[in-house]
Amino acid sequence: DAMVIQNPRYQVTQFGKPVTLSCSQTLNHNVMYWYQQKSSQAPKLLFHYYDKDFNNEADTPDNFQSRRPNTSFCFLDIRSPGLGDAAMYLCATSRAGSGSTYEQYFGPGTRLTVT
Amino acid sequence: LAKTTQPISMDSYEGQEVNITCSHNNIATNDYITWYQQFPSQGPRFIIQGYKTKVTNEVASLFIPADRKSSTLSLPRVSLSDTAVYYCLVGDGKVTGGGNKLTFGTGTQLKVEL
Repeated sequence: DAMVIQNPRYQVTQFGKPVTLSCSQTLNHNVMYWYQQKSSQAPKLLFHYYDKDFNNEADTPDNFQSRRPNTSFCFLDIRSPGLGDAAMYLCATSRAGSGSTYEQYFGPGTRLTVT
Repeated sequence: LAKTTQPISMDSYEGQEVNITCSHNNIATNDYITWYQQFPSQGPRFIIQGYKTKVTNEVASLFIPADRKSSTLSLPRVSLSDTAVYYCLVGDGKVTGGGNKLTFGTGTQLKVEL
């Protein structure tokens, strides 16, 4: 089945130690998104890619970076994680040119713990 | 930026119909109304989308009155497995490459009991 895959599902890192989360998709969608979801809160968009065109949300901290080496893969890099960055990180995709649809396909998420 | 307001929580019993209402007073003419479902420790899942009147799929129905300032998600005959958070979203601009930006509100925690 076509899907969005996130690895690892659980990640523990130390305060200030860089960490990378990965996302892959078999849907062949042009648009990929990263969301942050803190405990008992709604998902919040960090940035998205249209192909290799990176689009950052205005309030996304500089501590968060992303790479998309090809259509299938996208990475979220947290350069110096703080305790406040502990959250579920969700990757999602959507079809390009889908102007009237709000359907995004989400992965299962990676739960990041910062110690 | 169109915002949504929905109940924080709802309780129901298996076999009942559940209706979750969402208010979106500032919805723009071009905006659609979308609902997502999220189980614990999983990503949100698209349920249904509509613009006006009524939309039905195999999972739910969406009722939208003529003024479009509110909408109601209807889940027929819920089961324990429908226990989840349900998010109502309206448009929040486009993203580069097409598609629409999703801004999630607080959501409604639905709890279904036996």
